Amino acid sequence: GAGVSQSPSNKVTEKGKDVELRCDPISGHTALYWYRQSLGQGLEFLIYFQGNSAPDKSGLPSDRFSAERTGGSVSTLTIQRTQQEDSAVYLCASSFSSSGYEQYFGPGTRLTVT
Amino acid sequence: SQQGEEDPQALSIQEGENATMNCSYKTSINNLQWYRQNSGRGLVHLILIRSNEREKHSGRLRVTLDTSKKSSSLLITASRAADTASYFCATDPNGGSQGNLIFGKGTKLSVKP
Repeated sequence: GAGVSQSPSNKVTEKGKDVELRCDPISGHTALYWYRQSLGQGLEFLIYFQGNSAPDKSGLPSDRFSAERTGGSVSTLTIQRTQQEDSAVYLCASSFSSSGYEQYFGPGTRLTVT
Repeated sequence: SQQGEEDPQALSIQEGENATMNCSYKTSINNLQWYRQNSGRGLVHLILIRSNEREKHSGRLRVTLDTSKKSSSLLITASRAADTASYFCATDPNGGSQGNLIFGKGTKLSVKP
């Protein structure tokens, strides 16, 4: 079946602009996660959604970052007023449920802020 | 904050040799997972070991877990050039109460043909 898809695969934006990154999880997966990975670093947890529960936003680095998940499926990560330090690969993952299940990752969106 | 710490940060071996990577973590866990990442993009799940398990095998992979030492190791036997990648451990911190995974910084493995 189809895996996790993300769009766009690459995004170059000017400092101060807003960007939206999209994630389509695997159908039937109730948990969806966003991570950020800077060059040569590990993954930094940003936010996760589990079913209809309120999302865990504890990893969002600032109030410029927000995310929503519509209809329990597609998710959009929005970064407002982008800064150069926001440049990274943004990875989305989904799993059957949270905790105790493997996560399936999308290919990521490489964001470059100039 | 980083939950998992892998070591070594980088490992270079010859094809056919075994590769061992270690991971240490800080809080109680329900399970620990290992992932592989090629070319800095999406991660692929390799193996999950639960806190009540001590060892698990999957093909050429062997994972051990020592909850008393809060550590795990990943052994890849008879390595191949295609095993060249970064390997990350990930834990569900605080006994899984948080739902998300915390990843370490990874071990970059290079297998030379």
